[in-house]
Amino acid sequence: EVQLVESGGGLVKPGGSLRLSCAASGFTFSSYSMNWVRQAPGKGLEWVSSISSSSSYIYYADSVKGRFTISRDNAKNSLYLQMNSLRAEDTAVYYCARDTSQGWFDPWGQGTLVTVSS
Amino acid sequence: SYVLTQPPSVSVAPGKTARITCGGNNIGSKSVHWYQQKPGQAPVLVIYYDSDRPSGIPERFSGSNSGNTATLTISRVEAGDEADYYCQVWDSSRGVFGGGTKLTVL
Repeated sequence: EVQLVESGGGLVKPGGSLRLSCAASGFTFSSYSMNWVRQAPGKGLEWVSSISSSSSYIYYADSVKGRFTISRDNAKNSLYLQMNSLRAEDTAVYYCARDTSQGWFDPWGQGTLVTVSS
Repeated sequence: SYVLTQPPSVSVAPGKTARITCGGNNIGSKSVHWYQQKPGQAPVLVIYYDSDRPSGIPERFSGSNSGNTATLTISRVEAGDEADYYCQVWDSSRGVFGGGTKLTVL
């Protein structure tokens, strides 16, 4: 079964840092691009970042560029999101999602909640 | 930046047809993907490449894309179809989502 499981969310103060992880199983992780998508409470989906299968291509939304860093470890079947200089507006459920090289997102993980508050 | 516009809400009676639109500049030249999200759950892909259905998605779900509008059509709507629906494209190597449409089954 193809599965993605996020972890690392929690409560952090403004200006703080957090590292999210996404563990993949059930497919050849090294063959797929991966993404982070977030959803603020009661709001819609917002794409955050993507990374190609070999980490050659990395892209960010303008809202997180310069503060967030996406990375992956194909040997560990894991995706990461290092989030620095966090702001209240970064509060959201963060999902990892597989994509077919700028195609559709499928599947999605169950999400991990990040709350930025003093 | 590229913008996708969806109606905030659509209401439909059971057994009828629901149509959810997604507007964007020349969206017909892009591949559009649709997701269903029920409360407290992660999104689920329901249509990819404008009109293809993943395995396990009922044939009642269909999609089209032309000009400046893509449309998700749900035929013979059931109570279980009540959810938020999002369209998505790629633009300049960045993912773009529509604002989402809440489908209410009356």
